[in-house]
Amino acid sequence: DAKTTQPTSMDCAEGRAANLPCNHSTISGNEYVYWYRQIHSQGPQYIIHGLKNNETNEMASLIITEDRKSSTLILPHATLRDTAVYYCIVREAGGSYIPTFGRGTSLIVHP
Amino acid sequence: GAVVSQHPSWVICKSGTSVKIECRSLDFQATTMFWYRQFPKQSLMLMATSNEGSKATYEQGVEKDKFLINHASLTLSTLTVTSAHPEDSSFYICSASIYRDPYYATNEKLFFGSGTQLSVL
Repeated sequence: DAKTTQPTSMDCAEGRAANLPCNHSTISGNEYVYWYRQIHSQGPQYIIHGLKNNETNEMASLIITEDRKSSTLILPHATLRDTAVYYCIVREAGGSYIPTFGRGTSLIVHP
Repeated sequence: GAVVSQHPSWVICKSGTSVKIECRSLDFQATTMFWYRQFPKQSLMLMATSNEGSKATYEQGVEKDKFLINHASLTLSTLTVTSAHPEDSSFYICSASIYRDPYYATNEKLFFGSGTQLSVL
């Protein structure tokens, strides 16, 4: 699976959009971009995933660049409960998949 | 969404004792479950992959005789930390993937338990 690079930490004001970048310049054509988050002392939670088209669900939006070498997770109206570590993972769909996590981005949403 | 239940949430034990952690998929069948360990301020480290009905596959550096994994059914996997020592104190997390179809099996999404904080005195 392709390696990802994320900023170590970010902060955002409550109510504003949080834009979390992820670089995956070695991504291959059949690899998806997945985002998970982990709130302190809890298990990670799936957020969203996509291949090449932008995706949106009730939690967030995922914007993938045309060359697919980077993506941005957008939390449109961040709340204090969105404070967490956000992990960007790139992997193939199907087949045997061993999920591994990098350091992720620690997002702090402040009042 | 799919639910993975992990118990206990926290446990304190004496050095030398064994601790069992359960991971259950409540509303789906999980042919594969993963066990992670997480130290403070660090990322999740994959310990082993648990497959129903077969032996677990351990990551390099993880002692299989110390961290016993049993995946006896499609909804339950257990991790037993044997002869626990203070250095085994950590946050242990399980995850499961949904079994969709034998010809198109895919770990599309991972669902995680709430984690178990183990403290060995």
